[in-house]
Amino acid sequence: GENVEQHPSTLSVQEGDSAVIKCTYSDSASNYFPWYKQELGKRPQLIIDIRSNVGEKKDQRIAVTLNKTAKHFSLHITETQPEDSAVYFCAARDSSYKLIFGSGTRLLVRP
Amino acid sequence: GAGVSQSPSNKVTEKGKDVELRCDPISGHTALYWYRQSLGQGLEFLIYFQGNSAPDKSGLPSDRFSAERTGGSVSTLTIQRTQQEDSAVYLCASSLGLAAYEQYFGPGTRLTVT
Repeated sequence: GENVEQHPSTLSVQEGDSAVIKCTYSDSASNYFPWYKQELGKRPQLIIDIRSNVGEKKDQRIAVTLNKTAKHFSLHITETQPEDSAVYFCAARDSSYKLIFGSGTRLLVRP
Repeated sequence: GAGVSQSPSNKVTEKGKDVELRCDPISGHTALYWYRQSLGQGLEFLIYFQGNSAPDKSGLPSDRFSAERTGGSVSTLTIQRTQQEDSAVYLCASSLGLAAYEQYFGPGTRLTVT
């Protein structure tokens, strides 16, 4: 079955700097890769996603890139702000419709 | 419109008791998913429904776990003879259908087994 690995587990950046979180997946049949942001005690919120027929997608300060050959995808946050501090999860949707999640990255943006 | 709702928001139960967790998906969403999130961990897939059917139950941790969905809407996750390791946040999500990629999560039920 699908396996998703996520790095780093924690990331601390200065406000205004960029943050990059990377994930790898194992199942070449996976075709959908969402990113969720989870603030403490709250539900995961979908922030951006990418499908396997696209290499890059941007939404304001957030971008996701996908390399199907290498089976990895990354989240890029530019001009980070304190409110970006949260736990971020990547996921891959396999051929059986399940979302398999990475273990999460705790992002801290220092003012 | 209304999002995914779950009840109860918190549940404390004694070891060995049975518990029922409820999920009410977004209206019109035919696909429903259950996940478990242990403290400080990622989300673990448990089961999904398309309509009232659960094609894949492989994620359920043991035979103490079961789920059903009736009327293509509300779903109930039941844990029998709860154990301390069942303590976690149980999250439900729904999507327009299995072919629809975006899953929207409910607030979760925090289960504590004492």
